[in-house]
Amino acid sequence: EVQLLESGGGLVQPGGSLRLSCAVSGFSFNNYVMSWVRQAPGKGLDWVSSISGGGDQSFYADSVKGRFTISRDNSKNTLYLQMNSLRAEDTAIYYCAKNFQWSYFDYWGQGALVTVSS
Amino acid sequence: EIVLTQSPATLSLSPGERATLSCRASQSVSGYLAWYQQKPGQAPRLLIYGAFNRATDIPARFSGSGSGTDFTLTISGLEAEDFAVYYCQQRSNWPLSFGGGTKVEIK
Repeated sequence: EVQLLESGGGLVQPGGSLRLSCAVSGFSFNNYVMSWVRQAPGKGLDWVSSISGGGDQSFYADSVKGRFTISRDNSKNTLYLQMNSLRAEDTAIYYCAKNFQWSYFDYWGQGALVTVSS
Repeated sequence: EIVLTQSPATLSLSPGERATLSCRASQSVSGYLAWYQQKPGQAPRLLIYGAFNRATDIPARFSGSGSGTDFTLTISGLEAEDFAVYYCQQRSNWPLSFGGGTKVEIK
């Protein structure tokens, strides 16, 4: 059974940093592109970032480029999102997702809530 | 960046009725479009990929069609568990993008 479990969410002040983790099981982690997708309260889905199976390629939404860094540790079956210079508009549930056919999302975690507020 | 526009924003229907949801892209995405269903408090679920392919364990009442810039998700005979929000997503170009969603509510 495929499982994705996010952790690391919480309340952070504007300008602060936070690192999300996503522990996965049930599939060959290093063979798949992985992504982060977020959803602001009461809003739609917003793609944040994706990383290739080997970790050598990464892609970012313009809204987070230069502030967020996606990474993975294939020995630990874990995906990460380092978020720096956080803004109020980054407040959202952050979902970890397994990619399918490169850029569709076939499995999702339960989400981690990040709140940026003073 | 490719912008996806979904319509209508809300669809009010009764169980058993047919739902037709639209997704229009600002430029061609060929057939690289997916549909997701999201219920309150839950993560999204992949329904359709490649415009018309049903994902694993998705019932046959869900079907997708279209190519280029105009796509449709059809639910033939709404069941109680189908009332939810539906999103389209393109994977033709980076950055990946989602539509704003269509809420299918009980009339």
